[in-house]
Amino acid sequence: EVQLEESGGDLVEPGRSLALSCATSGFPFENYAMSWFRQAPGKGLEWLGFIKSRSRGGQREYNASLRGRFTISRDDSAGIAYLHMNFLRADDTGTYFCALGGAAALWGRGTLVFVSS
Amino acid sequence: DVVLTQSPLSLPVALGQPATISCRSSQSLVFSDGNTYLNWLHQRPGQSPRRLIYKVSNRDSGVPDRFSGSGSGTDFTLQIISVEAEDAGVYYCMQGTHLPYTFGQGTRLEIK
Repeated sequence: EVQLEESGGDLVEPGRSLALSCATSGFPFENYAMSWFRQAPGKGLEWLGFIKSRSRGGQREYNASLRGRFTISRDDSAGIAYLHMNFLRADDTGTYFCALGGAAALWGRGTLVFVSS
Repeated sequence: DVVLTQSPLSLPVALGQPATISCRSSQSLVFSDGNTYLNWLHQRPGQSPRRLIYKVSNRDSGVPDRFSGSGSGTDFTLQIISVEAEDAGVYYCMQGTHLPYTFGQGTRLEIK
């Protein structure tokens, strides 16, 4: 069974950094792109970016609205995708989801990030 | 950025009745490879989204056949033949043709 589980969500002060993890199982992780999304409380969904598989070049694409503050990486040996977030702001508050593939075939349950002083 | 406009934003439907949600794109979603990367997702309260349909009309594994997607170019539709209680929640269209990928505002389906 394919599983994705996000972790690392926390309460952080504005301006700080935070790293989220997406642990996976049940599929050949190294062969798939991984995507990240978020959802502000009571709001809709926002695409943050993806990282392609190494066999497809490992290319990363990001939502330009993030202004380079977020970085996606992957550890194929461990089956984990990461989202590193810098210079966090109050409007980064929300639930963060990882998803399988660029087309978001399967989603994790999400992890909550709360940015506040 | 591509703007996806869904309608209606709220959709009360009685059990057993059909439902239709529209998603209109600000530009064509046909990719250079000839595919149209338009997905439909469903999110129940307190849960993560679940993809129902990919590339306009392909049902994901385990998705009941009462769900169908159609459309082309800039106009797309999700249809539910006969609504069941578990279909309540918010439906989103999402485009994966143009960067950045974008979503519609969401349509809240409520069981009357």
